[in-house]
Amino acid sequence: NAGVTQTPKFRVLKTGQSMTLLCAQDMNHEYMYWYRQDPGMGLRLIHYSVGEGTTAKGEVPDGYNVSRLKKQNFLLGLESAAPSQTSVYFCASNKRGGTDTQYFGPGTRLTVL
Amino acid sequence: GQNIDQPTEMTATEGAIVQINCTYQTSGFNGLFWYQQHAGEAPTFLSYNVLDGLEEKGRFSSFLSRSKGYSYLLLKELQMKDSASYLCAVRNYGGSQGNLIFGKGTKLSVKP
Repeated sequence: NAGVTQTPKFRVLKTGQSMTLLCAQDMNHEYMYWYRQDPGMGLRLIHYSVGEGTTAKGEVPDGYNVSRLKKQNFLLGLESAAPSQTSVYFCASNKRGGTDTQYFGPGTRLTVL
Repeated sequence: GQNIDQPTEMTATEGAIVQINCTYQTSGFNGLFWYQQHAGEAPTFLSYNVLDGLEEKGRFSSFLSRSKGYSYLLLKELQMKDSASYLCAVRNYGGSQGNLIFGKGTKLSVKP
């Protein structure tokens, strides 16, 4: 049981390049989330999904797109990277009901030059 | 609006007790979480409060007062490994499916 995994762990992009971050969870959770964490800003929600085939915008969605084609995977895409997207990206998931505790992946450190 | 406040940094001595406060303003409150995050790592779940009162879990306790919009995390018998950031997060049903709103975190340094 690996929990929540993220790929890649580190990435350096040039301005204008595109990339996709992959999040996978093996806990059969319905809900999945993408956050970014910047110094002094805390965790901010980018997009989230409440089930396979559904996505919704969070607090800071601009410049990002997401897809949830399979229940266990949640992809975050940057179509044209900008230096302002330099950040640490965390994926999280939780099951529906109960305390709905979110479990986090190890993070992806992205630098955009 | 929604707002969560917690101190930016705190310092404490090994073996001591430290209390990290969190105040919040949110609509449709439905639970408060505390997470621990070591530098360079992912946040990990510590505690959850949805009713007023104290929840104890080993060396860690968390308190909630919904009427005051206030919570604290109490760490007893501090150890060096407790040096980390502590994140307060509030869940509400204000139109976002119960998503969490995170505070900016409190960086705790434990000194010998």
